[in-house]
Amino acid sequence: DAKTTQPPSMDCAEGRAANLPCNHSTISGNEYVYWYRQIHSQGPQYIIHGLKNNETNEMASLIITEDRKSSTLILPHATLRDTAVYYCTIFYNQGGKLIFGQGTELSVKP
Amino acid sequence: EAQVTQNPRYLITVTGKKLTVTCSQNMNHEYMSWYRQDPGLGLRQIYYSMNVEVTDKGDVPEGYKVSRKEKRNFPLILESPSPNQTSLYFCASSKKGLAGGGRFNEQFFGPGTRLTVL
Repeated sequence: DAKTTQPPSMDCAEGRAANLPCNHSTISGNEYVYWYRQIHSQGPQYIIHGLKNNETNEMASLIITEDRKSSTLILPHATLRDTAVYYCTIFYNQGGKLIFGQGTELSVKP
Repeated sequence: EAQVTQNPRYLITVTGKKLTVTCSQNMNHEYMSWYRQDPGLGLRQIYYSMNVEVTDKGDVPEGYKVSRKEKRNFPLILESPSPNQTSLYFCASSKKGLAGGGRFNEQFFGPGTRLTVL
């Protein structure tokens, strides 16, 4: 089964860009990459998803490498409220199974 | 308001006493799923359901049962809870659960149920 690997923690200065990497070297076919974030112990919230091309929405940008083996979530101007755990996930090709990695705990500091 | 609800939010029980955690969504979603979250292990999928009467195992199904008799409800059943099932549980739903589903696979999570088994 495809897995995702993320650094356990990262720090970012307030106002600077936060770049969160994810390795998904065994991704295949039409499997999308999804990013979620979880603040404290609340239910995770969807941020963005992508297949091949870079994506941007009001929350973040997603850069996917050409070989699709890794991606980077970019929060362009991090605020203190962006302090959370960020999960990179893959939705399996056969449908149904969703694998979350262990996530990256992002601390945004003043 | 579109939402996923879970009940109870907190539960302390004893080993072996059967319990059910309910999950309900009001978005007419086809796909529903249960996860547990433990320190250092992230979110792990327990069971999922692609539609009514269709359920399948996730990564950690042992000790759990589910049913999907109606589209909106997806209860999680612990027939004989044990202390290693002490965890934070999340239910989630999405419009679809298909490969290549793009935004249709966006998961909407409930608020979580904190279960302690003594």
